[in-house]
Amino acid sequence: DAKTTQPPSMDCAEGRAANLPCNHSTISGNEYVYWYRQIHSQGPQYIIHGLKNNETNEMASLIITEDRKSSTLILPHATLRDTAVYYCIEHGNEKLTFGTGTRLTIIP
Amino acid sequence: EAGVAQSPRYKIIEKRQSVAFWCNPISGHATLYWYQQILGQGPKLLIQFQNNGVVDDSQLPKDRFSAERLKGVDSTLKIQPAKLEDSAVYLCASSLDGEVNQPQHFGDGTRLSIL
Repeated sequence: DAKTTQPPSMDCAEGRAANLPCNHSTISGNEYVYWYRQIHSQGPQYIIHGLKNNETNEMASLIITEDRKSSTLILPHATLRDTAVYYCIEHGNEKLTFGTGTRLTIIP
Repeated sequence: EAGVAQSPRYKIIEKRQSVAFWCNPISGHATLYWYQQILGQGPKLLIQFQNNGVVDDSQLPKDRFSAERLKGVDSTLKIQPAKLEDSAVYLCASSLDGEVNQPQHFGDGTRLSIL
């Protein structure tokens, strides 16, 4: 079973920042926080991952709290193409385990 | 760089028939994964290969599912005989070396419908 908790759905206005929360209160010291997204009829797409420090790439920013019990994925300027299911996953030595994610809808 | 290639994109068969899916991972990726995604759920790992060896097949229903990666590059997943509950999207993913800090990259999957 997935060990993270995410809201089932969120809306965000086009052009605004989308902030997707994730709780991972039982995360172990060697487990990374991974974010993937899945657009309709496509395979999951890797977005970003981190261990302790905040991370940023061309797609998004990942903010991890100091106690590592939660994180936030930030899409700085959401577009309609960002509408997807977003998965937050704890990933250590065991297999990648997907939950049901957050369905993010970008509103024009 | 080319992504993970999968074929066919769609397949419809009747129950008790057999079916095979093919996957070509990203060039140079040693680790290959097959996932099953049932409608409304997240993907579930079926099997993981490291080069041509099986690392984890604990979730693979071995009475009907089989997979191989003979030359350590492309891979085939087979179902024989298919059941109605096998209707799902079958996703292939690859990663550089299977280490936890290396992301997996997914293909777009094969959507299997069992009649």
